[in-house]
Amino acid sequence: NAGVTQTPKFQVLKTGQSMTLQCAQDMNHEYMSWYRQDPGMGLRLIHYSVGAGITDQGEVPNGYNVSRSTTEDFPLRLLSAAPSQTSVYFCASSYSYSSYEQYFGPGTRLTVT
Amino acid sequence: TQLLEQSPQFLSIQEGENLTVYCNSSSVFSSLQWYRQEPGEGPVLLVTVVTGGEVKKLKRLTFQFGDARKDSSLHITAAQPGDTGLYLCAGAREETSGSRLTFGEGTQLTVNP
Repeated sequence: NAGVTQTPKFQVLKTGQSMTLQCAQDMNHEYMSWYRQDPGMGLRLIHYSVGAGITDQGEVPNGYNVSRSTTEDFPLRLLSAAPSQTSVYFCASSYSYSSYEQYFGPGTRLTVT
Repeated sequence: TQLLEQSPQFLSIQEGENLTVYCNSSSVFSSLQWYRQEPGEGPVLLVTVVTGGEVKKLKRLTFQFGDARKDSSLHITAAQPGDTGLYLCAGAREETSGSRLTFGEGTQLTVNP
């Protein structure tokens, strides 16, 4: 069991570029989510999915898109990167929407110049 | 304004000392979790508390959920250098579900040998 995996580990983008952060889990979890972590602000929810084909917005969704075509994968797309999106991004999964335990990936450190 | 306020934000102590970290809110939570995060890694779940007044122990760590389910504390007895890390509390609000979490800002704990 690999758990939750994320790629890449590090990424540098120029303002205006687009990219996709990858997230995959092999635990057959229904619920997946994306957070960003900024100093002094904890983790903030960007988007989440309660199952394949179903996604919804979290606290800070602007500038990000998601889709969930399979149970295993939940990519996060930055449409036009901005310096304000410089952050560490974490993907997490749990068994279901009502489950308490979430499992986090190792994170992607993104810098936008 | 952070929905979950953690204090202190930074804590540096000597090995063998005791410490308490607090997580407070004006909102009621259906559950509250504590995570520990090491540099370069994702948060790892330590405990989930769901009942007002609940106390859970994990070796030298004691977690308490407030009677009104608005606050929680983490107490570490005889801290060791291996306890060093970022401690995060996270709650599921009553109007949402277990997996949709709101995080506190975190407490950075350093235990010096």
